[in-house]
Amino acid sequence: DTEVTQTPKHLVMGMTNKKSLKCEQHMGHRAMYWYKQKAKKPPELMFVYSYEKLSINESVPSRFSPECPNSSLLNLHLHALQPEDSALYLCASKSGHYNEQFFGPGTRLTVL
Amino acid sequence: AQSVSQHNHHVILSEAASLELGCNYSYGGTVNLFWYVQYPGQHLQLLLKYFSGDPLVKGIKGFEAEFIKSKFSFNLRKPSVQWSDTAEYFCAVNPRISSGSARQLTFGSGTQLTVLP
Repeated sequence: DTEVTQTPKHLVMGMTNKKSLKCEQHMGHRAMYWYKQKAKKPPELMFVYSYEKLSINESVPSRFSPECPNSSLLNLHLHALQPEDSALYLCASKSGHYNEQFFGPGTRLTVL
Repeated sequence: AQSVSQHNHHVILSEAASLELGCNYSYGGTVNLFWYVQYPGQHLQLLLKYFSGDPLVKGIKGFEAEFIKSKFSFNLRKPSVQWSDTAEYFCAVNPRISSGSARQLTFGSGTQLTVLP
């Protein structure tokens, strides 16, 4: 299994809602990432987990809360988001041997 | 910290034309180099990668890239483009590190390629 899966594919939420994005990989990778991507722009790194511990937080607002329950799963909890948070949220995991990141298909989030 | 420059923001070609997209990086140490493609409405896909060895790397769909260390460049090429190559192309680098460590992948700003039928 060489893929990263993300659910849901699409999410529409109001500014007062609480929702979660889910990411899963079964490649045995020990580093997992959350990125935010706006249209026609490169992905922007949000969080990095290494061996299930948060190792990088790129000054992301607290309305985004990551969680790594185990080495295969990565969640992103969303609360009180703003319309400008609408974007494609990408998850990735990294092969330790070659430092290659494998990207999931993303969750397209719309905040109303 | 490393940075990546893609100087061509939008390239428009006719089918069968040759393609070369520029990518330059700045980093003092050894790097891993990648080209990703994102077709309209789709996710990032790896086109090719360079870690070491032969600086001419062949990827999927007929793409290739050449690493020129002295120029800090990793340009993407394809001899004859197709309409289906219309997409956004991102160059990315990260520092070469020991196995098991997590490091940031730095992306260039992207190049939109439009191939006219």
